Amino acid sequence: NAGVMQNPRHLVRRRGQEARLRCSPMKGHSHVYWYRQLPEEGLKFMVYLQKENIIDESGMPKERFSAEFPKEGPSILRIQQVVRGDSAAYFCASSLWKGGANPDTQYFGPGTRLTVL
Amino acid sequence: DQQVKQNSPSLSVQEGRISILNCDYTNSMFDYFLWYKKYPAEGPTFLISISSIKDKNEDGRFTVFLNKSAKHLSLHIVPSQPGDSAVYFCAGLNSGGSNYKLTFGKGTLLTVNP
Repeated sequence: NAGVMQNPRHLVRRRGQEARLRCSPMKGHSHVYWYRQLPEEGLKFMVYLQKENIIDESGMPKERFSAEFPKEGPSILRIQQVVRGDSAAYFCASSLWKGGANPDTQYFGPGTRLTVL
Repeated sequence: DQQVKQNSPSLSVQEGRISILNCDYTNSMFDYFLWYKKYPAEGPTFLISISSIKDKNEDGRFTVFLNKSAKHLSLHIVPSQPGDSAVYFCAGLNSGGSNYKLTFGKGTLLTVNP
């Protein structure tokens, strides 16, 4: 029973390049979340997606960042024209939709560590 | 503006003793809280949660206590084991609003010494 998969695990980019981070949710999960962890900080919510829909992108920087979760394939977090401040660990989580009284548990992937030179 | 605060960056305890990790929150809209455990180079793993309608939830060696009036929660691990050594994150959310938007603290590094 594979968990949430993220690749690459480590990504090095030079300033101005593009970074593409991929996330495959757990089997049967149709809800995906992206979080960013800057050094010495907690994880911060970026975006919530369902298949083919962005539900909430309130935590995403307005420029250079975009996310998608197509009908087929993994979710992609895309960062254009990376800057040094984008260096961080990016975690993806997924969940089922149970619709119960309690929020659905989010299961996290191992993260992608982005380093911008 | 930190809505979830874990004021102890680190904690060291002896194997077999109790570990108590603390967490404070400022957002009155939070009514559901979770603890996650994270090993280096891995993602956070869900440990235990508590709804604000309760003041205690227990799962094996892990117990979470919630004091709503003080806006404080704590995670107790009894007995502590060396394998519990990890970073522990407290997170809160508003289950009636964006009930997926976890707000995390900065984490506490727990070291359990054999």
